[in-house]
This record gives sequence, structure tokens and C-alpha cells, in this order.
Amino acid sequence: GDSVTQMEGPVTLSEEACLTINCTYTATGYPSLFWYVQYPGEGLQLLLKATKADDKGSNKGFEATYRKETTSFHLEKGSVQVSDSAVYFCALSALTSGTYKYIFGTGTRLKVLA
Amino acid sequence: NAGVMQNPRHLVRRRGQEARLRCSPMKGHSHVYWYRQLPEEGLKFMVYLQKENIIDESGMPKERFSAEFPKEGPSILRIQQVVRGDSAAYFCASSPVAPLDEQYFGPGTRLTVT
Repeated sequence: GDSVTQMEGPVTLSEEACLTINCTYTATGYPSLFWYVQYPGEGLQLLLKATKADDKGSNKGFEATYRKETTSFHLEKGSVQVSDSAVYFCALSALTSGTYKYIFGTGTRLKVLA
Repeated sequence: NAGVMQNPRHLVRRRGQEARLRCSPMKGHSHVYWYRQLPEEGLKFMVYLQKENIIDESGMPKERFSAEFPKEGPSILRIQQVVRGDSAAYFCASSPVAPLDEQYFGPGTRLTVT
């Protein structure tokens, strides 16, 4: 079945370091891909998305490219800030056998130190 | 446009009691999703509803849990005879169309069973 796998955390970085959080997926159809962010005590909010192969989603300095050949959607940021400390979820949505599926990864906790 | 609203934000129940969690989707959204997040774990899909219909309840425990989204009023997630293992954060999300695009999350209800 469809699934999302993302790297385990926690990831601890110093301010201004580069960030990569890996995400790979398995899907029988043509999924849309998302990254959501969850700040402490809050619900998830959409960070960026891509709906077809080679699309690049970007927001707040974060980027992710939909790679069909490697079934990946890695999240990157060139210079992280303390305020980026949160849990990041990779997700996919797809129509599979007439049923809509929205699947989240397990989340990766990012901690940025000043 | 108000966001997704959930209440209560915090709910404490003794073992054996009932818990009712409410979710008001964003205005114009007719698709509602419930997720459970256990401490330090990812987001687990529970149920997907449209007005007056359960579309997918594949993630819902077979016993004690039920959900509804009536024609008028909020969506309700009901847990009967709660046990300590039900302690978790329960998130509601909504979308304007079928779940192939962004979901908008509420702030969650944190249920504690004592």
C-alpha cells in the first residue's frame, strides 16, 4: 500500500547550518506531496507542496523537489534559525482504487541551537 | 475566515467515562478528518467524513470509538469508556474538496485519562 518514510529525529543543528530531512514515498498512483510543520502545542500547518514530478515547492526559505525517479521529496533549507525548531511531517495524498488516501510520515523533530 | 476550531483544548476524563471532542471545520469546507497523535509519535489517520457520511473509517478502532458529521453543527469524535491508552492529542482537519490538496488543521484536543 501507499506509505511515507522519513528520517528519524531528533535532528539538532546550530543556527545558520544547512538542513536536509529525507522523505521517500511509495504510491501506486500519482500522489501530491506535502511538508507540514508542527510548532509546540499547535496543530499542523502546511509548509509547502508539489503536485507533479519535478515540481519544486518552496516557502519561508524551505524547499523540496518532487523526484519521481527516486520517489523522494526531501526538505532542505540553507540556513536554519532557532525559530525553525519544530516537528516536520512529510505527507502524500493519492486516489487509490477509488479511495482517497492522505498519509503522514512519523515526523522529524528539529532542534536549532543558538 | 476563521480557522478550524476544536473544543475543548484540554479534556480530562476518568477511566470508564465518555469523551466528546468537537470540530468545526473552516467555512465552506465539507470534508473533515480526525487524527490521533500519541506522545512522541506521528499522526495516525482515524476517520474521514463528509456531511452526514463516513467515507473512510479504516483507522478507527472497532470498539468504543465513533464519529459523526451532521448536516448542521460540528463534527464529533466520541470515545466511550475511555482507558489510559486513549490519552493522546486528537487533531481535526478540514478541506474544501476531496483530500488531494492541503488539509487545514485545528489546534487539537489533548485528552488525558486518569
